[in-house]
Amino acid sequence: GAVVSQHPSRVICKSGTSVKIECRSLDFQATTMFWYRQFPKKSLMLMATSNEGSKATYEQGVEKDKFLINHASLTLSTLTVTSAHPEDSSFYICSASSGRAEGGELFFGEGSRLTVL
Amino acid sequence: KNQVEQSPQSLIILEGKNCTLQCNYTVSPFSNLRWYKQDTGRGPVSLTIMTFSENTKSNGRYTATLDADTKQSSLHITASQLSDSASYICVVSAALNDYKLSFGAGTTVTVRA
Repeated sequence: GAVVSQHPSRVICKSGTSVKIECRSLDFQATTMFWYRQFPKKSLMLMATSNEGSKATYEQGVEKDKFLINHASLTLSTLTVTSAHPEDSSFYICSASSGRAEGGELFFGEGSRLTVL
Repeated sequence: KNQVEQSPQSLIILEGKNCTLQCNYTVSPFSNLRWYKQDTGRGPVSLTIMTFSENTKSNGRYTATLDADTKQSSLHITASQLSDSASYICVVSAALNDYKLSFGAGTTVTVRA
């Protein structure tokens, strides 16, 4: 089946630094990718929808200047957590659709655990 | 507001036993319902996807059912194995809002030997 790769899987950084997480669709072109945040024992929370070649659409309450999303190609989207603070520590997951979400399969990356000290 | 409610929140079963997880939703108009398995610290992996015309779909020892009239779905795990220990997430898609998925909070299943 289709594969979505996330990198890094774990990252520890100091408060105030920026961290970039990559999401790649390895064997299909994804015009749309999604970024989620997940707290322990909680469901995935959609942060933003990333469209190739255009600006991302952020969910209400998500700071676009804090969480920068770039979808430079049909196989790569990046999430940059700028000026990270300890409260940004979380599990971040991306997903990509191989077609229209209504009928297309949705594949998730393995997730990236961010710890901000 | 579209919602997806899952029950139970967690359950513990003995290896080899069966169990059933529930998912009730208010998403409308309905497009499809997906069940995912998420191991701790990993990304979700798709188990089944069903549209309104499908009543049941199986994937190995996993069988999902859907009643679009009552807006209920279930995931049945047969002859559970230790590797079935995970969180199972129900995700519902609305027909008129492409890519807008409503996630349930998940059911954490623990299989014990």
